[in-house]
Amino acid sequence: EVQLVESGGGLVQPGGSLRLSCAASGFTFSSHWMSWVRQAPGKGLEWVANIKEDGSEKQYVDSVKGRFTISRDNAKNSLYLQMNSLRAEDTAVYYCARHLVGVITFDYWGQGTLVTVSS
Amino acid sequence: SYELTQPPSVSVSPGQTASITCSGDKLGDKYACWFQRKPGQSPLLVIYRDTMRPSGIPERFSGSSSGNTATLTISGTQAMDEADYYCQAWDSSTVVFGGGTKLTVL
Repeated sequence: EVQLVESGGGLVQPGGSLRLSCAASGFTFSSHWMSWVRQAPGKGLEWVANIKEDGSEKQYVDSVKGRFTISRDNAKNSLYLQMNSLRAEDTAVYYCARHLVGVITFDYWGQGTLVTVSS
Repeated sequence: SYELTQPPSVSVSPGQTASITCSGDKLGDKYACWFQRKPGQSPLLVIYRDTMRPSGIPERFSGSSSGNTATLTISGTQAMDEADYYCQAWDSSTVVFGGGTKLTVL
């Protein structure tokens, strides 16, 4: 059974940092692109970043470029999101999502971890 | 930046057909996908590559795409289909979601 379990969310002050983790199991992690997707309170889904199977390619939404870094450790079946210079508008539930092979969409999602940026 | 536009809400009677549209510039030249989102649950992929249905998704869910519009169609809509639906596409190395449509089954 495919499982994606996020952790690392919490309350942080504006300008602060957090590192999210996503533990993957039940599939060959190194064979899939992975993404982070977020949903702010009362808003829709927003893709944040993705990373190629071997970590050699990374892409980001414009609003997080230069502040967030996506990475992965295939030996540990884990995905990460380092978030720096956090802003109030980064407040959201962050989801780890697996890409469907050969298609730029997501076939499995985690349950999400809440990030709240507030003083 | 690329944008996808969905109607905020659609209503349908049980057993009838619901259609949810998603509009974007030359969307028919890209692949559209659709997600179902119920309260307290993670999004569920119901259509990918415009028309493909993942394993386990009921046949009453279908998709189409042409020109600037992709459409999710739910035939014989059931009460359990009440949810938010999001379209998604890919453009210039960016994944884009529509704003979401709340489907109400009256």
